[in-house]
Amino acid sequence: GIQVEQSPPDLILQEGANSTLRCNFSDSVNNLQWFHQNPWGQLINLFYIPSGTKQNGRLSATTVATERYSLLYISSSQTTDSGVYFCAVGANTGGFKTIFGAGTRLFVKA
Amino acid sequence: EAGVAQSPRYKIIEKRQSVAFWCNPISGHATLYWYQQILGQGPKLLIQFQNNGVVDDSQLPKDRFSAERLKGVDSTLKIQPAKLEDSAVYLCAIRRDRNYEQYFGPGTRLTVT
Repeated sequence: GIQVEQSPPDLILQEGANSTLRCNFSDSVNNLQWFHQNPWGQLINLFYIPSGTKQNGRLSATTVATERYSLLYISSSQTTDSGVYFCAVGANTGGFKTIFGAGTRLFVKA
Repeated sequence: EAGVAQSPRYKIIEKRQSVAFWCNPISGHATLYWYQQILGQGPKLLIQFQNNGVVDDSQLPKDRFSAERLKGVDSTLKIQPAKLEDSAVYLCAIRRDRNYEQYFGPGTRLTVT
């Protein structure tokens, strides 16, 4: 099945700093989502981005499907950005199964 | 915006007991998922429904886990009997019909002692 790797596994930032999170996947995918899991455990949709580039406020994401990776950019980080960021991919091969990466744990210091 | 309610939010049981979780999508969506998230890991798909039918249950431990979806709307996930390793958060998600974007409920945190 598809393998999903996220990096870095852990990240500590000073408030106001910028960061880039990466998601690599081992095979072609039909969909890709980025989620933020807040400290209360709720998974919040950030982007649905099987290809191309999207921006939403201080966050943006780019997926290069032909090279099998996606990037999540966080600019001017805030303490409320703390939590775990997950990349999830899905493909039609072997049934349409959604596979999550292990996540990037982000802590933003005030 | 799609909404997904789950109950209970927390449950503590002893090993070998039974437990059931409920997922109530606020609006109708054809596709519904149950995931298991063990502490420190990403969610793992347990079962996927399309309307009332099961699309994928390859990672569901069928000797102890069961799930059903009633009338293509609400769903229940049951564990019988529970083991210590079943301690996790159980997440329900629905998928928009027009693309593959998934929306998650708040989850049920299960502790098996």
